[in-house]
Amino acid sequence: QSALAQPASVSGSPGQSITISCTGTSSDVGAYNYVSWYQQFPGKTPKLLIYDVTYRASGVSNRFSGSKSDNTASLTVSGLQPEDEADYYCSSYTSRHTHVFGGGTKLSVL
Amino acid sequence: QVQLVQSGAEVKKPGASVKVSCKVSDYALTYLAIHWVRQAPGSGLEWMGGLDPENIKRIIAQKFQGRVTLTEDRSTATAYMELSSLGSEDTAVYYCATAVTMVQPIDKWGQGTLVTVSS
Repeated sequence: QSALAQPASVSGSPGQSITISCTGTSSDVGAYNYVSWYQQFPGKTPKLLIYDVTYRASGVSNRFSGSKSDNTASLTVSGLQPEDEADYYCSSYTSRHTHVFGGGTKLSVL
Repeated sequence: QVQLVQSGAEVKKPGASVKVSCKVSDYALTYLAIHWVRQAPGSGLEWMGGLDPENIKRIIAQKFQGRVTLTEDRSTATAYMELSSLGSEDTAVYYCATAVTMVQPIDKWGQGTLVTVSS
């Protein structure tokens, strides 16, 4: 099971919006609406942001939103803030009943 | 509130095995899916395997089949992940984590256990 494909890095200015893509296959991202997104700061454990493609986890800002089209899921962060600078990972349940993460995307807020 | 407390850091030689423990709340082993995820230094998250509470089935990622053993001791509410035939590429922080069901996202993480493989 290969890792889901994410861009290594994305950047944006405060107030702008950015989108991080997460490309899998018809056996994972495309198979189910079980795509999640996590935010991780250096030295910290990941924090769940989005689950089941579009649902925000409890306490997560509505500036974070998720979507999916075919085998590609996306995380959009609107109204970028400096504190959004972190690593972001997507994850999907797969047809083999396993889970797979994306390679991670470093978000820089310029 | 689920609490996940992992064992301390380990240093192992190549070829050895390591067993990481994860003490959970009593009900967690019965009702929650227990996942194991690792993160090598400067690298991303990698799902290793999990225990599905609905059928007590252990599901291991293909990459780790034959090297990873997942067990649990219900008398102490502790889950274990043993990784054998260690190589330098296994140097990583190993996390246990929980989810409501096997298909649901991980929503609670242990603090992580650093395993260093070095001769």
